[in-house]
Amino acid sequence: AQSVAQPEDQVNVAEGNPLTVKCTYSVSGNPYLFWYVQYPNRGLQFLLKYITGDNLVKGSYGFEAEFNKSQTSFHLKKPSALVSDSALYFCAVSTNRDDKIIFGKGTRLHILP
Amino acid sequence: KAGVTQTPRYLIKTRGQQVTLSCSPISGHRSVSWYQQTPGQGLQFLFEYFSETQRNKGNFPGRFSGRQFSNSRSEMNVSTLELGDSALYLCASSLVVAGGNTDTQYFGPGTRLTVL
Repeated sequence: AQSVAQPEDQVNVAEGNPLTVKCTYSVSGNPYLFWYVQYPNRGLQFLLKYITGDNLVKGSYGFEAEFNKSQTSFHLKKPSALVSDSALYFCAVSTNRDDKIIFGKGTRLHILP
Repeated sequence: KAGVTQTPRYLIKTRGQQVTLSCSPISGHRSVSWYQQTPGQGLQFLFEYFSETQRNKGNFPGRFSGRQFSNSRSEMNVSTLELGDSALYLCASSLVVAGGNTDTQYFGPGTRLTVL
């Protein structure tokens, strides 16, 4: 069965510093990987996805993620954090063999001014 | 294109009642998924509908049900409400790509259900 893990419940980063939100996955078949962000009292917003191709994926708001097949990871990164990046981030995975999408538990990102 | 819309945005019910939530997907999207989000359990998958058929189902009791209409609009129903059903219910729509896989999901703002 496929699964996705976000090992950190919360990440604190100073404004202007680089940030990383971690995600690892376990699937049978080729993974389709997604990152979503949720602001307070809002639905989830799509940030970026990896289906195939270049391992470095660029998305909205300056975020990017790197697909690492050997480490089964898809960490979300941003070179310079903004206070407005403070939100709840979800990693999700599906595969080319299973049409279900599984979400991680979420990581709360706090950017400190 | 208009985004995913959910109605109502807020709902207060009492235990034992039933509730129906509505979701209108992005035009052209035929897959609609429902999620329950609570602080304790996080984001939990309820079910997915595609072309008026339930394609996938999460681990929720039979009190939770849904349906999809020919215009892809979807409703979910919860009968005999319990206090633990208080949550944010999110709907997401997506295209279905070749091979049947669900592509990027676009979420609505959610319906906040409070059960007293």
